[in-house]
Amino acid sequence: DGGITQSPKYLFRKEGQNVTLSCEQNLNHDAMYWYRQDPGQGLRLIYYSQIVNDFQKGDIAEGYSVSREKKESFPLTVTSAQKNPTAFYLCASNDREWGTEAFFGQGTRLTVV
Amino acid sequence: AQSVTQLDSHVSVSEGTPVLLRCNYSSSYSPSLFWYVQHPNKGLQLLLKYTSAATLVKGINGFEAEFKKSETSFHLTKPSAHMSDAAEYFCVVSYTGGFKTIFGAGTRLFVKA
Repeated sequence: DGGITQSPKYLFRKEGQNVTLSCEQNLNHDAMYWYRQDPGQGLRLIYYSQIVNDFQKGDIAEGYSVSREKKESFPLTVTSAQKNPTAFYLCASNDREWGTEAFFGQGTRLTVV
Repeated sequence: AQSVTQLDSHVSVSEGTPVLLRCNYSSSYSPSLFWYVQHPNKGLQLLLKYTSAATLVKGINGFEAEFKKSETSFHLTKPSAHMSDAAEYFCVVSYTGGFKTIFGAGTRLFVKA
């Protein structure tokens, strides 16, 4: 079955450490996205990529980095520069055609301990 | 600026009564509009989408939404709420090729027995 997979589901990190969240899709979508969700808040865009080897900053990119070396993969690194990294992270993908919906992964909950 | 506003942060209904979740958008262009549902600690699931075909859109689980261009609204309704409908709902607007996607802040639906 086609879909988008995030791993791990839960992740714990010590302060000062970098951590990488995985996102893989087998939907052959060109575009991929990372969102951050905090309790009681909507989704905020961190980074997005419309094509391999290219990506753009979203609204809250500071303290995060991404790569897009393969069409199916869009990993997100939360660096030690991110001051408040504890959150729920969602990855999504879609075709770059008008009117197509985004497909979401099941999310990764990151907790800094 | 393009935006989407969910008019209620919380809605509470009794089981078996109608559901109305309100969404307004600003638009300089023809948008595509979506409603997603998110259950706790899960990804987002598409309920329905509007892409300039019929203005009344039927989705999964008995939900439907009506696109009203004159009111720039896309309210989500269901005739009879079920306990399993308790979740967070997001109204989403997409412009020009799908990559410029704007999320509403979300509406949390509570269903009382």
